[in-house]
Amino acid sequence: AQSVTQLDSQVPVFEEAPVELRCNYSSSVSVYLFWYVQYPNQGLQLLLKYLSGSTLVKGINGFEAEFNKSQTSFHLRKPSVHISDTAENFCAVSLVWLGKSTFGDGTTLTVKP
Amino acid sequence: SQTIHQWPATLVQPVGSPLSLECTVEGTSNPNLYWYRQAAGRGLQLLFYSVGIGQISSEVPQNLSASRPQDRQFILSSKKLLLSDSGFYLCAWSLDRNEQYFGPGTRLTVT
Repeated sequence: AQSVTQLDSQVPVFEEAPVELRCNYSSSVSVYLFWYVQYPNQGLQLLLKYLSGSTLVKGINGFEAEFNKSQTSFHLRKPSVHISDTAENFCAVSLVWLGKSTFGDGTTLTVKP
Repeated sequence: SQTIHQWPATLVQPVGSPLSLECTVEGTSNPNLYWYRQAAGRGLQLLFYSVGIGQISSEVPQNLSASRPQDRQFILSSKKLLLSDSGFYLCAWSLDRNEQYFGPGTRLTVT
Protein backbone atom coordinates (compact mmCIF):
# COMPACT_ATOMS: atom_id res chain seq x y z
CA ALA A 1 0.00 0.00 0.00
CA GLN A 2 1.07 3.55 -0.60
CA SER A 3 1.75 6.11 2.12
CA VAL A 4 2.48 9.83 2.34
CA THR A 5 4.60 11.72 4.87
CA GLN A 6 4.50 15.48 5.12
CA LEU A 7 7.67 16.29 6.97
CA ASP A 8 6.58 19.58 8.52
CA SER A 9 3.31 20.03 10.36
CA GLN A 10 3.70 23.82 10.47
CA VAL A 11 5.70 26.21 8.31
CA PRO A 12 5.74 29.88 9.35
CA VAL A 13 7.22 32.29 6.83
CA PHE A 14 7.31 36.04 6.25
CA GLU A 15 5.49 37.65 3.36
CA GLU A 16 7.46 37.75 0.09
CA ALA A 17 9.88 35.05 1.32
CA PRO A 18 10.27 31.73 -0.51
CA VAL A 19 8.72 28.58 0.93
CA GLU A 20 9.05 24.83 0.51
CA LEU A 21 6.60 22.27 1.88
CA ARG A 22 8.05 18.79 1.93
CA CYS A 23 6.31 15.57 0.94
CA ASN A 24 7.71 12.05 0.71
CA TYR A 25 5.76 9.06 -0.47
CA SER A 26 6.15 5.31 -0.42
CA SER A 27 4.92 3.01 -3.18
CA SER A 28 6.25 0.03 -5.05
CA VAL A 29 4.35 0.91 -8.24
CA SER A 30 3.75 3.99 -10.38
CA VAL A 31 1.80 6.78 -8.77
CA TYR A 32 0.09 10.05 -9.44
CA LEU A 33 0.92 12.88 -7.03
CA PHE A 34 -1.13 15.88 -5.96
CA TRP A 35 -1.02 18.94 -3.76
CA TYR A 36 -4.27 20.36 -2.44
CA VAL A 37 -4.94 23.55 -0.45
CA GLN A 38 -7.63 24.02 2.17
CA TYR A 39 -8.70 27.41 3.49
CA PRO A 40 -10.47 27.55 6.89
CA ASN A 41 -13.85 25.81 6.96
CA GLN A 42 -13.74 24.99 3.26
CA GLY A 43 -13.19 21.96 1.10
CA LEU A 44 -9.91 21.18 -0.64
CA GLN A 45 -8.83 22.66 -3.96
CA LEU A 46 -6.30 21.16 -6.32
CA LEU A 47 -3.06 23.19 -6.45
CA LEU A 48 -1.20 21.00 -8.92
CA LYS A 49 -0.70 17.41 -10.04
CA TYR A 50 1.95 15.13 -11.46
CA LEU A 51 0.69 12.40 -13.76
CA SER A 52 3.63 11.84 -16.13
CA GLY A 53 6.15 13.71 -18.28
CA SER A 54 8.05 16.72 -17.01
CA THR A 55 9.01 16.35 -13.39
CA LEU A 56 8.50 20.06 -12.70
CA VAL A 57 4.83 20.92 -12.57
CA LYS A 58 3.28 24.33 -12.20
CA GLY A 59 -0.03 24.99 -10.52
CA ILE A 60 -2.31 27.76 -9.47
CA ASN A 61 -1.36 30.79 -7.37
CA GLY A 62 2.31 30.62 -8.41
CA PHE A 63 3.04 27.26 -6.76
CA GLU A 64 5.18 24.58 -8.35
CA ALA A 65 6.39 21.11 -7.36
CA GLU A 66 9.11 18.76 -8.49
CA PHE A 67 8.69 15.00 -8.71
CA ASN A 68 11.88 13.19 -7.68
CA LYS A 69 11.48 9.48 -8.29
CA SER A 70 14.84 8.46 -6.80
CA GLN A 71 14.09 10.29 -3.55
CA THR A 72 10.35 9.53 -3.70
CA SER A 73 9.58 13.15 -3.00
CA PHE A 74 7.17 15.76 -4.31
CA HIS A 75 8.04 19.04 -2.58
CA LEU A 76 5.89 22.13 -3.08
CA ARG A 77 7.57 25.51 -3.60
CA LYS A 78 6.71 29.14 -4.12
CA PRO A 79 9.36 31.83 -4.67
CA SER A 80 7.43 34.61 -2.94
CA VAL A 81 4.44 34.04 -0.67
CA HIS A 82 1.52 36.31 0.12
CA ILE A 83 -0.62 36.66 3.21
CA SER A 84 -3.42 35.01 1.23
CA ASP A 85 -1.35 31.80 0.94
CA THR A 86 -1.99 31.08 4.61
CA ALA A 87 -3.78 27.71 4.54
CA GLU A 88 -3.54 24.00 5.20
CA ASN A 89 -1.79 22.10 2.42
CA PHE A 90 -2.12 18.39 1.72
CA CYS A 91 0.05 16.10 -0.34
CA ALA A 92 -1.68 13.05 -1.82
CA VAL A 93 -0.63 9.97 -3.75
CA SER A 94 -2.75 7.70 -5.90
CA LEU A 95 -1.87 4.43 -7.57
CA VAL A 96 -2.06 4.84 -11.33
CA TRP A 97 -4.64 2.10 -11.74
CA LEU A 98 -6.71 2.88 -8.64
CA GLY A 99 -9.12 5.76 -8.38
CA LYS A 100 -8.53 6.76 -4.77
CA SER A 101 -5.83 8.75 -3.01
CA THR A 102 -3.95 8.58 0.27
CA PHE A 103 -3.48 11.96 1.92
CA GLY A 104 -0.73 13.20 4.19
CA ASP A 105 -1.54 14.75 7.56
CA GLY A 106 -1.19 18.27 6.19
CA THR A 107 1.18 21.21 6.58
CA THR A 108 -0.10 24.49 7.95
CA LEU A 109 1.47 27.34 6.01
CA THR A 110 1.29 30.62 7.94
CA VAL A 111 2.45 33.76 6.17
CA LYS A 112 3.30 36.63 8.49
CA PRO A 113 3.43 40.33 7.51
CA SER B 1 -19.05 23.06 -15.58
CA GLN B 2 -19.16 20.63 -12.69
CA THR B 3 -20.30 21.52 -9.20
CA ILE B 4 -20.60 19.57 -5.98
CA HIS B 5 -23.02 20.33 -3.18
CA GLN B 6 -23.14 19.18 0.41
CA TRP B 7 -25.76 19.77 3.04
CA PRO B 8 -26.24 20.70 5.68
CA ALA B 9 -23.24 22.99 6.17
CA THR B 10 -23.29 22.56 9.95
CA LEU B 11 -25.06 20.13 12.23
CA VAL B 12 -25.26 19.64 15.99
CA GLN B 13 -26.68 16.30 17.04
CA PRO B 14 -26.97 14.49 20.38
CA VAL B 15 -25.28 11.17 21.03
CA GLY B 16 -27.46 8.28 19.90
CA SER B 17 -29.37 10.24 17.27
CA PRO B 18 -29.39 9.29 13.55
CA LEU B 19 -27.43 11.06 10.84
CA SER B 20 -27.93 11.72 7.16
CA LEU B 21 -25.51 13.84 5.12
CA GLU B 22 -26.11 14.34 1.43
CA CYS B 23 -23.77 15.05 -1.45
CA THR B 24 -24.76 15.70 -5.06
CA VAL B 25 -22.66 16.34 -8.14
CA GLU B 26 -23.79 18.24 -11.22
CA GLY B 27 -22.32 18.45 -14.70
CA THR B 28 -20.69 15.02 -14.97
CA SER B 29 -21.70 11.38 -15.37
CA ASN B 30 -20.60 8.22 -13.57
CA PRO B 31 -18.12 9.89 -11.24
CA ASN B 32 -16.19 8.13 -8.52
CA LEU B 33 -17.53 9.45 -5.21
CA TYR B 34 -15.84 9.65 -1.82
CA TRP B 35 -16.65 10.45 1.79
CA TYR B 36 -13.83 11.69 4.03
CA ARG B 37 -13.72 12.74 7.66
CA GLN B 38 -11.29 15.34 8.91
CA ALA B 39 -10.82 15.55 12.67
CA ALA B 40 -9.59 18.83 14.15
CA GLY B 41 -5.96 19.44 13.20
CA ARG B 42 -5.72 16.13 11.35
CA GLY B 43 -5.52 14.89 7.81
CA LEU B 44 -8.24 13.27 5.75
CA GLN B 45 -9.52 9.81 6.55
CA LEU B 46 -11.23 8.05 3.64
CA LEU B 47 -14.48 6.54 4.88
CA PHE B 48 -16.26 5.28 1.76
CA TYR B 49 -15.59 5.06 -1.94
CA SER B 50 -18.05 4.36 -4.77
CA VAL B 51 -17.44 3.66 -8.47
CA GLY B 52 -21.14 3.35 -9.41
CA ILE B 53 -24.73 3.12 -8.24
CA GLY B 54 -25.04 0.68 -5.36
CA GLN B 55 -21.28 -0.01 -5.32
CA ILE B 56 -19.77 1.06 -2.00
CA SER B 57 -16.36 0.23 -0.55
CA SER B 58 -15.88 0.78 3.16
CA GLU B 59 -12.37 1.79 4.09
CA VAL B 60 -12.66 1.89 7.87
CA PRO B 61 -14.95 -0.22 10.11
CA GLN B 62 -17.12 2.19 12.04
CA ASN B 63 -20.46 3.45 13.07
CA LEU B 64 -21.24 4.91 9.65
CA SER B 65 -22.67 3.65 6.36
CA ALA B 66 -22.97 5.08 2.85
CA SER B 67 -25.37 4.67 -0.03
CA ARG B 68 -25.47 5.77 -3.65
CA PRO B 69 -29.09 5.66 -4.78
CA GLN B 70 -28.46 7.68 -7.95
CA ASP B 71 -25.44 8.22 -10.18
CA ARG B 72 -24.58 11.62 -8.75
CA GLN B 73 -25.92 11.30 -5.20
CA PHE B 74 -23.93 10.00 -2.24
CA ILE B 75 -25.37 9.75 1.26
CA LEU B 76 -23.57 9.21 4.56
CA SER B 77 -25.66 7.79 7.39
CA SER B 78 -25.58 6.58 10.95
CA LYS B 79 -28.26 4.96 13.06
CA LYS B 80 -26.75 6.12 16.36
CA LEU B 81 -24.09 8.81 16.57
CA LEU B 82 -21.11 8.58 18.90
CA LEU B 83 -19.08 11.48 20.31
CA SER B 84 -16.16 10.28 18.19
CA ASP B 85 -18.20 10.90 15.03
CA SER B 86 -17.68 14.65 15.41
CA GLY B 87 -15.62 16.19 12.64
CA PHE B 88 -15.61 17.87 9.26
CA TYR B 89 -17.11 15.61 6.59
CA LEU B 90 -16.05 16.12 3.01
CA CYS B 91 -17.53 14.64 -0.13
CA ALA B 92 -15.46 14.50 -3.31
CA TRP B 93 -15.74 13.26 -6.89
CA SER B 94 -13.27 12.25 -9.56
CA LEU B 95 -13.09 10.82 -13.06
CA ASP B 96 -10.34 8.76 -14.61
CA ARG B 97 -7.39 11.02 -13.81
CA ASN B 98 -7.60 10.61 -10.07
CA GLU B 99 -7.60 14.27 -9.12
CA GLN B 100 -10.49 14.88 -6.78
CA TYR B 101 -12.90 17.77 -6.50
CA PHE B 102 -14.21 18.49 -3.04
CA GLY B 103 -17.45 19.86 -1.74
CA PRO B 104 -17.65 22.64 0.87
CA GLY B 105 -17.99 20.17 3.76
CA THR B 106 -20.33 19.57 6.69
CA ARG B 107 -19.18 20.32 10.22
CA LEU B 108 -20.78 17.79 12.57
CA THR B 109 -20.71 18.25 16.33
CA VAL B 110 -22.02 15.39 18.43
CA THR B 111 -22.95 16.51 21.95
